[in-house]
Amino acid sequence: KQEVTQIPAALSVPEGENLVLNCSFTDSAIYNLQWFRQDPGKGLTSLLLIQSSQREQTSGRLNASLDKSSGRSTLYIAASQPGDSATYLCAVPTLSGGYNKLIFGAGTRLAVHP
Amino acid sequence: NAGVTQTPKFQVLKTGQSMTLQCAQDMNHNSMYWYRQDPGMGLRLIYYSASEGTTDKGEVPNGYNVSRLNKREFSLRLESAAPSQTSVYFCASSEVGDSYNEQFFGPGTRLTVL
Repeated sequence: KQEVTQIPAALSVPEGENLVLNCSFTDSAIYNLQWFRQDPGKGLTSLLLIQSSQREQTSGRLNASLDKSSGRSTLYIAASQPGDSATYLCAVPTLSGGYNKLIFGAGTRLAVHP
Repeated sequence: NAGVTQTPKFQVLKTGQSMTLQCAQDMNHNSMYWYRQDPGMGLRLIYYSASEGTTDKGEVPNGYNVSRLNKREFSLRLESAAPSQTSVYFCASSEVGDSYNEQFFGPGTRLTVL
């Protein structure tokens, strides 16, 4: 059974720091891995999706890497800003009967203070 | 292009009452999902629908029923609400594919059962 773990659960940093958020999964046979952002009281916004054939994916100040063999992904945030404060979730799909279901980690709650 | 929409945004029920959460997507996606999000537990899949006319149970289906009304709409019904169903409910949709299955989420429905 696929399980997804995120470390740390919470992180508080001063503005300008470079950050690394970690995500690990128990079953390395994944199609892809998706990173989401969730603002308090809001829905989920997809940030990056890394296909299993890719090593990394970049969008602006965000860079996500994927190491299937070790069951790990990291989300790197460069030059953090207060507007980056949110909860970051990673998720991997599980195929069951040909249907795609996402298994989520519990998230990392990030606070960037000025 | 509104993406995934959900109604209502907030709801308070008394134990034993029933209600239906509505979800619609305008991206012509085949698959739709209902998740619940609880503190410290991440998102868990309640039900999903791979295509119009089909539905299947996820991780936590007890106490819920679903209807895939057409390709656009997927509703979640609580027949007799219980305090344990207090949660934030998210609807999502995706194309069903072998390797590309990014899911797009709605803004959520915040439900309190007294």
